[in-house]
Amino acid sequence: AQSVAQPEDQVNVAEGNPLTVKCTYSVSGNPYLFWYVQYPNRGLQFLLKYITGDNLVKGSYGFEAEFNKSQTSFHLKKPSALVSDSALYFCAVRDGPGGYQKVTFGTGTKLQVIP
Amino acid sequence: NAGVTQTPKFRVLKTGQSMTLLCAQDMNHEYMYWYRQDPGMGLRLIHYSVGEGTTAKGEVPDGYNVSRLKKQNFLLGLESAAPSQTSVYFCASSISEGFLYEQYFGPGTRLTVT
Repeated sequence: AQSVAQPEDQVNVAEGNPLTVKCTYSVSGNPYLFWYVQYPNRGLQFLLKYITGDNLVKGSYGFEAEFNKSQTSFHLKKPSALVSDSALYFCAVRDGPGGYQKVTFGTGTKLQVIP
Repeated sequence: NAGVTQTPKFRVLKTGQSMTLLCAQDMNHEYMYWYRQDPGMGLRLIHYSVGEGTTAKGEVPDGYNVSRLKKQNFLLGLESAAPSQTSVYFCASSISEGFLYEQYFGPGTRLTVT
């Protein structure tokens, strides 16, 4: 069975500092990995995905994520946090070709950027 | 483009009542989904559709029914609402190969069952 874990319920970071939101996963095949962001009272918005290729994936709003197969991780990063980045972030995973045909979402990490 | 829209935005039901949530997308997407979001549990897939006239069960389908009579619309029905169905419901769509491509989400429907 596929699963995804976001070990931190909340991450606090000062504006201008680098931020990391952690995600680890478990699949039986090759993972397809996604990050979404949810602002208050809104639906989720796609940030970036990893399907194959370069381990460093760049996405919207200056975010990037690094795929690490040996550590089964896909952490979301940004070099310099903005107050407007404060939101709920979800990691999602799907098992590779032939695997479970649905995406599993993590429980979310609330990012608070402090001015 | 409006993207993905959901109707209504809020609803309060009494136990045993029925209702239908409407999702519409104007992106000509093949795949559509219904999720529920509960605190501490992330999003859980209720039902999904891979094309007009098709539907399939997700992780938590019990107590819900769906229909996709038109490509742009995906309806979620609750025949006899229960307090356990109090949640925020999100509809989403994707262009194809739904679980390889990013999903586009609606703004959500907040449902309370008393």
